[in-house]
Amino acid sequence: DAGVTQSPTHLIKTRGQQVTLRCSPKSGHDTVSWYQQALGQGPQFIFQYYEEEERQRGNFPDRFSGHQFPNYSSELNVNALLLGDSALYLCASSLGLGDRYEQYFGPGTRLTVT
Amino acid sequence: AQSVTQLDSHVSVSEGTPVLLRCNYSSSYSPSLFWYVQHPNKGLQLLLKYTSAATLVKGINGFEAEFKKSETSFHLTKPSAHMSDAAEYFCVVSGDNQGGKLIFGQGTELSVKP
Repeated sequence: DAGVTQSPTHLIKTRGQQVTLRCSPKSGHDTVSWYQQALGQGPQFIFQYYEEEERQRGNFPDRFSGHQFPNYSSELNVNALLLGDSALYLCASSLGLGDRYEQYFGPGTRLTVT
Repeated sequence: AQSVTQLDSHVSVSEGTPVLLRCNYSSSYSPSLFWYVQHPNKGLQLLLKYTSAATLVKGINGFEAEFKKSETSFHLTKPSAHMSDAAEYFCVVSGDNQGGKLIFGQGTELSVKP
């Protein structure tokens, strides 16, 4: 059984560009959350998707947007990239909403903005 | 608002000696608390979870944590460190009592000396 998978593994972009990161949840999971982990910091919650809708959002600007597809996979889009967007982006999936469901994390996508 | 503070950014122990990683939390309601571990180039893995059942929680790989409401603490312990325990550890609190948003501490890097 494959766990949470993310693509690409690494990505280098230039300031002002746009980027799309992808996540496939663990089999049977319908809820996907995205986190940003800057170097030397703990992950910060970006947003959460369930039933193809954004259910919760952290303190991130509108440049960060997402989508969830009918097969529960998800994309994270970041527009007008800034140097400060350089980070490890983590996707987590769970069986449903609520903290009674364990969140399983993928290995992340390392984004470097130059 | 929910928050966690990890009191040590780095802890170094010798193999076979006890491990103590300290965490204090702040919550406006009875929280769910977690410890996650992050090995280099690997995804975050759940070590253990407290959700208002027993205050002493046992996790994987011999780790356990005790929820102390009076001290607002949730310290992680292990009787005997192993070289494979070297990693980054995150104390985590649920961001609310509905959606499953996770709020991470800054992390504690555990080093294990032979």
